[in-house]
Amino acid sequence: DSGVTQTPKHLITATGQRVTLRCSPRSGDLSVYWYQQSLDQGLQFLIQYYNGEERAKGNILERFSAQQFPDLHSELNLSSLELGDSALYFCASSEGGGGTGELFFGEGSRLTVL
Amino acid sequence: TQLLEQSPQFLSIQEGENLTVYCNSSSVFSSLQWYRQEPGEGPVLLVTVVTGGEVKKLKRLTFQFGDARKDSSLHITAAQTGDTGLYLCAGILFNNAGNMLTFGGGTRLMVKP
Repeated sequence: DSGVTQTPKHLITATGQRVTLRCSPRSGDLSVYWYQQSLDQGLQFLIQYYNGEERAKGNILERFSAQQFPDLHSELNLSSLELGDSALYFCASSEGGGGTGELFFGEGSRLTVL
Repeated sequence: TQLLEQSPQFLSIQEGENLTVYCNSSSVFSSLQWYRQEPGEGPVLLVTVVTGGEVKKLKRLTFQFGDARKDSSLHITAAQTGDTGLYLCAGILFNNAGNMLTFGGGTRLMVKP
């Protein structure tokens, strides 16, 4: 158990819909990262928040947005969903803002868009 | 193309065999990590290497960071069925102000009894 909690574990929805994925980081960790993992793309970095502020942005689509709340939990919002958005979405947390620190990953949220 | 290229993408071997997985890039990394991911779970950190030429050993696993800090390898000696999983290398680019960890595409290892 990494200490990172993600909900929901599985989500099935239709194209055009909007979903919210939730992440609670490990106790004491200030950074939250979101990654997308699909079969043909590996783990793609989406976005990082550190203590409530956006720290780094990766290949995140404009249809996607995220935020980190004062209690440090984070949400990833995916809207106008397309078939290609079907993937595993991982949240990870770390104590600091980056560097050589270890990332602790949750078990992921599997999104299926039909 | 991925910033970090892992090879091979798939590897199926018999228990007891040795294997090496490679992680290559044309870019320089300030540090590089190896993760292992099992089905239904998130990646778990195995090791971090930060110095060019560094070699780290974790039981039967040996990790090496290239002298130029552009590549890394993972060698497993006498593989066991419990080594089965997806092995991911991930690095932080040198001078990357955002400290964004970039992952390779992974090597899927299957060790057969």
